Amino acid sequence: DIQMTQSPSSLSASVGDRVTITCRASQGIRNDLGWYQQKPGKAPKRLIYAASSLQSGVPSRFSGSGSGTEFTLTISSLQPEDFATYYCLQHNSYPPRLTFGGGTKVEIK
Amino acid sequence: QVQLQESGPGLVKPSETLSLTCTVSGGSISSYYWSWIRQPPGKGLEWIGYIYYSGSTNYNPSLKSRVTISVDTSKNQFSLKLSSVTAADTAVYYCASWYYDSSGHGGWYFDLWGRGTLVTVSS
Repeated sequence: DIQMTQSPSSLSASVGDRVTITCRASQGIRNDLGWYQQKPGKAPKRLIYAASSLQSGVPSRFSGSGSGTEFTLTISSLQPEDFATYYCLQHNSYPPRLTFGGGTKVEIK
Repeated sequence: QVQLQESGPGLVKPSETLSLTCTVSGGSISSYYWSWIRQPPGKGLEWIGYIYYSGSTNYNPSLKSRVTISVDTSKNQFSLKLSSVTAADTAVYYCASWYYDSSGHGGWYFDLWGRGTLVTVSS
């Protein structure tokens, strides 16, 4: 099975900071990866699919990159509403075995 | 606007079977794939499995021996059964649609989510 290692598990940042979160896959997954944002008590919300495609309605300060085994989610200028937990999700292989990363909690510095 | 809503008992006894239903409103279940995801309190997300409206399924190998997902197109619902539960199965259970977007590069993602329902396993 493909394992997803997400780092860091938490970070503290200030409004306006540039934030980068990384997910590494235990084997190549092409670009079969998405990113989700979850706020306390809420369901996750889709941000990025196919590693770098921004979901409709998601602010352009969010971006995704990577292919193969290493992927990043970047928030170019952190806003107050971005404090949340972020998860990557891979869906490579056939039939797909969906695996989430462990999550990154972004907290206010 | 399509919405998903989970329903079912909030408390299940150890060794019994957890049963949840997700009702799809505002649209037809006869498209997309439909999935269950869970999240233990204070922990991360775990994919349980998904079903196509035709009935074909795909389960997380770690749960496959205990999981059954079924669909009832006449009621616009799909359901989860998880047998032989233990305290480790205590979690918020979400239903979600697994969607393929053919625009641009194309790709799959969880599109719509229910609000989630907490199921506690305890005697």
